[in-house]
Amino acid sequence: DAGVTQSPTHLIKTRGQHVTLRCSPISGHKSVSWYQQVLGQGPQFIFQYYEKEERGRGNFPDRFSARQFPNYSSELNVNALLLGDSALYLCASSLGKVMGIAGGSYNEQFFGPGTRLTVL
Amino acid sequence: AQSVTQLDSHVSVSEGTPVLLRCNYSSSYSPSLFWYVQHPNKGLQLLLKYTSAATLVKGINGFEAEFKKSETSFHLTKPSAHMSDAAEYFCVVSDQFEDMRFGAGTRLTVKP
Repeated sequence: DAGVTQSPTHLIKTRGQHVTLRCSPISGHKSVSWYQQVLGQGPQFIFQYYEKEERGRGNFPDRFSARQFPNYSSELNVNALLLGDSALYLCASSLGKVMGIAGGSYNEQFFGPGTRLTVL
Repeated sequence: AQSVTQLDSHVSVSEGTPVLLRCNYSSSYSPSLFWYVQHPNKGLQLLLKYTSAATLVKGINGFEAEFKKSETSFHLTKPSAHMSDAAEYFCVVSDQFEDMRFGAGTRLTVKP
């Protein structure tokens, strides 16, 4: 079975440009989340989409936007790129909230390999 | 607000000795807790998860973690380290709003 796929693998842009990153979830998964991982740090939550609607948003500026398509794939867009946007961008997919054995629910996410964005 | 603190940025052990990676969490709700591993140039892989069932959770590759509510901890352990365990490990908390908050990571080095 194919896992989460992301494209492109690597990308080099200059300051002020715009970038679009793409993600295809695991078949059957309806939720996609985006994370930014700056070198040496843990991933930071950017967005979550479920059934094509935004379900959550992290503490990122409005230059960051995303959308989810009817086939549940997703795009992350970043406008007016800054040097500080250089990072590994991770996409994760999930079924959505899953009920645990004792009644609690959780969201198991499966991560793609990421897109390495370098802003010069 | 939810958050995690990984108490060690770097842990070094010898092959065959026990591994302990420490994680404390903060959450306003009954959280779900996860440990992920990231090998160089590879994606994040789920090691194990706590979802309000048994407090001792067994994961892949011999790793375990114990949820201690009174201590707000979720430490990761392994009885005997292997060279292939060298990687970056992330403790993650997720509450009812489902966004996952990652710790800063612990780099595990395994010496021969």
